[in-house]
Amino acid sequence: DQQVKQNSPSLSVQEGRISILNCDYTNSMFDYFLWYKKYPAEGPTFLISISSIKDKNEDGRFTVFLNKSAKHLSLHIVPSQPGDSAVYFCAGSIGDSNYQLIWGAGTKLIIKP
Amino acid sequence: DGGITQSPKYLFRKEGQNVTLSCEQNLNHDAMYWYRQDPGQGLRLIYYSQIVNDFQKGDIAEGYSVSREKKESFPLTVTSAQKNPTAFYLCASSTGGYTGELFFGEGSRLTVL
Repeated sequence: DQQVKQNSPSLSVQEGRISILNCDYTNSMFDYFLWYKKYPAEGPTFLISISSIKDKNEDGRFTVFLNKSAKHLSLHIVPSQPGDSAVYFCAGSIGDSNYQLIWGAGTKLIIKP
Repeated sequence: DGGITQSPKYLFRKEGQNVTLSCEQNLNHDAMYWYRQDPGQGLRLIYYSQIVNDFQKGDIAEGYSVSREKKESFPLTVTSAQKNPTAFYLCASSTGGYTGELFFGEGSRLTVL
């Protein structure tokens, strides 16, 4: 039973446009969410997080939106750049303890020049 | 450079053999984790540890063992009891106990022949 789902295995976006990566979760108790980014042959690196007390969090070109009623979060990248090509993982948890994180399978983002 | 080093990057093993994956960090982090990644699935937690000589089972600990004799090191042994050991294994660490950003190694890919 996958509690965190990233239904798009891959996504292709033109450079300069907006990239929207989606993530759905089933556990209504989740109150902390985050996104990690992974380049080939490297470990994942932290990108951005959001607590359930917020519905939006921004960090430069990256914005995460949380819709608790729909149990859905999305990561927006504006504008998309070639260096954004990577696999993006979302994860959710009850509380912010790392050992409670439930991870999605990832979405591979390809930015076309 | 500070970081997490996993070795070997690729490992082949015959059925019935135990194999140990190395994970070393020089970030002075207290907490360390082992994850397994399979195609189409999110990261799944195998074991985690916050202090030397103490570790906890994660969601899929069966067939695995760990030790934490030094703060810097958290090796994972994949035993012959693990029914389906072929996978990609990621080690991570975090500061501030079990909260805070996860720092990942590059991973080790284990293939059982």
